[in-house]
Amino acid sequence: GENVEQHPSTLSVQEGDSAVIKCTYSDSASNYFPWYKQELGKRPQLIIDIRSNVGEKKDQRIAVTLNKTAKHFSLHITETQPEDSAVYFCAATYGNNRLAFGKGNQVVVIP
Amino acid sequence: NAGVTQTPKFRVLKTGQSMTLLCAQDMNHEYMYWYRQDPGMGLRLIHYSVGEGTTAKGEVPDGYNVSRLKKQNFLLGLESAAPSQTSVYFCASSPGTAAKNIQYFGAGTRLSVL
Repeated sequence: GENVEQHPSTLSVQEGDSAVIKCTYSDSASNYFPWYKQELGKRPQLIIDIRSNVGEKKDQRIAVTLNKTAKHFSLHITETQPEDSAVYFCAATYGNNRLAFGKGNQVVVIP
Repeated sequence: NAGVTQTPKFRVLKTGQSMTLLCAQDMNHEYMYWYRQDPGMGLRLIHYSVGEGTTAKGEVPDGYNVSRLKKQNFLLGLESAAPSQTSVYFCASSPGTAAKNIQYFGAGTRLSVL
């Protein structure tokens, strides 16, 4: 099956700075890579996703990049705000529309 | 349009008791999934279904059973609960097509097994 690794496990940034979370995956057949944000006690919510035929995608302060050759993808958050504090999960598809999730990154934005 | 609804939200069981968690979606999605979330472990797939009447094992299926008798419902059963099954359980659904394989999550069920 697919194996998704996420680094770093915890990331602290000053408000206004950028945050970058990196994930690697093992299955070269994976073609869809979503990122989910989970606030404390809440459900995971999709914030951005990218497909394997695209190298980069942006949505306001959030962007995702994909390097298929190296099998890694990254989430970039610019101009971080306190409401960006949460756990972020990357994921990659494998057989039959399943998702393999990374273990999550705790992002703490320091005001 | 409620999306994905899970019941109950919280439950405490004694070891050996049984229970069923219900997941309902109103988006006419083909695929449904059950995950468990433990601290530091991310989301792990228990069982999933690619359509009404079908189920399949995920990454951590032992101790759980599922049924998908109706397209909109996906039930997760614990026949004899163990403390190791203390976790937060999330249900998700997806249209299932390659072009639309986004998964939408329910609010979760927090289960404690004493």
